[in-house]
Order: sequence, then C-alpha cells, then structure tokens
Amino acid sequence: EVQLVESGGGLVQPGGSLKLSCSASGFTFSDSAIHWVRQAAGKGLEWIGRIKNKPQNYATAYAASVKGRFTVSRDDSQNTAYLQMNSLRTEDTAIYYCTRRETFIDHWGQGTLVTVSS
Amino acid sequence: DIVVTQSPLSLPVTPGEPASISCTSSQRLLHSSGYNSLNWYLQKPGQSPQLLIYLASNRASGVPDRFSGSGSGTDFTLKISRVEAEDVGVYYCMQDLQVPLTFGGGTKVEIK
Repeated sequence: EVQLVESGGGLVQPGGSLKLSCSASGFTFSDSAIHWVRQAAGKGLEWIGRIKNKPQNYATAYAASVKGRFTVSRDDSQNTAYLQMNSLRTEDTAIYYCTRRETFIDHWGQGTLVTVSS
Repeated sequence: DIVVTQSPLSLPVTPGEPASISCTSSQRLLHSSGYNSLNWYLQKPGQSPQLLIYLASNRASGVPDRFSGSGSGTDFTLKISRVEAEDVGVYYCMQDLQVPLTFGGGTKVEIK
C-alpha cells in the first residue's frame, strides 16, 4: 500500500524557517516525482513545488509565490522528500501535502499544518 | 500559467439524481503522448484529496463506476450518474500538463 507521511509542521514566527519531511513507503520511491501542495484553511489547493527522479536529474520547479524561499529535496536512500521553507510569511499558513506523481498525481499524504504567526 | 476554471462553485444534489461539474482550461491539455493531462480529485470533509479520474476519463482504482470523466482539449466534465450521500465534499480538477500545476477553484457538492 502506498503511504506518504508528512511531518515537521508547527508554529513559526514570520521570517522564520521550517523543514517538512515526507516519508514514503509501499512503492519504489526513487522512481517517482514528489510534488508539494498546500491548502490554507477554507481555501482551495495550491501547487507549490516538485522534484523529479534521478533519471530526470532531480529537476525542481516552484510556484512563483514560494520561489527563492522554498526548496524541495529528496533522499532516495531514506525514501524521504523534504520541503525547506525560509522567510516564512503569514500567508504561508496552510496544511502542506506531499504527493506522488508518476504519470499523474495519484497519492496524497495526510498533510501537516504550518502556522506562521507572531 | 494555465488557468483552470470550474463550475459551479456549489452543487446541491438529491440522492439518486445525477450531477455534473465542468472544468475549462485556458490552454489545450493534450500531452504529446496523446492523452489529456487533466485529473479529478475529491476532498471529503476532514480528509486529504483522493484521486477519482486521471487523464480526463480513466477511473482510479476503487472508484465506483457511477463516476465518469470526459472531455478533451480545453473542456472537461465530471459526472456522477446517481449521487450517494458519501459523495459529499469538494471536487477539484487539476491540470498537470506543465508546471506550475494548477487547480480549479473547487466545487462543493452537498446533499439537499
């Protein structure tokens, strides 16, 4: 069974940093791209970034709203992906989901809540 | 960026009746491999989104056959042949032809 488990969320002050983890199991992690999607309370879904697999040179891409502040990485030996978030703003407050994509996004984690507030 | 627009915003439905959600993209979603890069997800209350339909018209594993997807190019539709109480939630279409991936604004389906 494919499982994606996010962790690392919490309360952080504006301007602060946080690193989220996405632990994967039940599939060959190194074959898949990992995408991160977030959802502010009562709002819709927003794609924020992705990292491809090794054959695709671990290519990354980001939404304009987070480019230069967020970094996606992965450790295939640990079946884990990461989302490093710097210079956090109040508008980054949301549930953050990691997702798996092969030809399409087919599995989502349960999400981890990030709250940016003073 | 590709803009994806969903309608309606809200959809009250009677159990046993059909329902339909529309999704329109600002650019054609036809991939070079011949499929349409448009997927449908359902987010039930308090849960993560779950895949319903992939590549415009393919039901995901375990999805009841009352759900169907159709369309090509820029216009897509999700249909529920007979709505059941468990189908309530917010439905999203999403294009993954190119980054940034973009979602429709969501359609909230509720039981009348």
